[in-house]
Amino acid sequence: KQEVTQIPAALSVPEGENLVLNCSFTDSAIYNLQWFRQDPGKGLTSLLLIQSSQREQTSGRLNASLDKSSGRSTLYIAASQPGDSATYLCAVRGLYNFNKFYFGSGTKLNVKP
Amino acid sequence: NAGVTQTPKFQVLKTGQSMTLQCAQDMNHEYMSWYRQDPGMGLRLIHYSVGAGITDQGEVPNGYNVSRSTTEDFPLRLLSAAPSQTSVYFCASSYGTGDRSYGYTFGSGTRLTVV
Repeated sequence: KQEVTQIPAALSVPEGENLVLNCSFTDSAIYNLQWFRQDPGKGLTSLLLIQSSQREQTSGRLNASLDKSSGRSTLYIAASQPGDSATYLCAVRGLYNFNKFYFGSGTKLNVKP
Repeated sequence: NAGVTQTPKFQVLKTGQSMTLQCAQDMNHEYMSWYRQDPGMGLRLIHYSVGAGITDQGEVPNGYNVSRSTTEDFPLRLLSAAPSQTSVYFCASSYGTGDRSYGYTFGSGTRLTVV
């Protein structure tokens, strides 16, 4: 069964710092990988979607990379801001179990002013 | 461009009561699903559907029923509410197959408390 792990579980950084969030998965047979942001008491907002054939995706200050062979993805946040404080989750969609999405437990990010 | 709409946003039930959580999407997504999110447990899949008339169980289906009579709607029914069903419920949808892999879209959630 696919297992998705996110380390660290929590991260606190000063404003302006560049940071990397990690996501690892045990089965490289994935269809795509998606990064989400969740604010307290809110739903999940999609940040970036990487297809299995892609190596990275960028949106503004966010850059997500995918290394399928090693079972890893990273979310890079440049010049962090207090408004980036949220929980970040990654999810993989199975290549052969297409109806299965596997979520990590998230990294809670706090950006201090 | 509504996306995935969940109602109600908040609900308090008494033990033993039944209710239906509504989920509707306007993106013509084949795939729809229900999750519950609990502190320390992450997101757990309750039920999912790959199209109208087709549903299947996820990780934690007990105590919940679903049906999918249209592409747009995927209601979740609590048959006899229990305090263990106190949680935040999310509905999510996506295209099921093909090249239109736009990923998963989530609703804003329903916060349910069972007393």
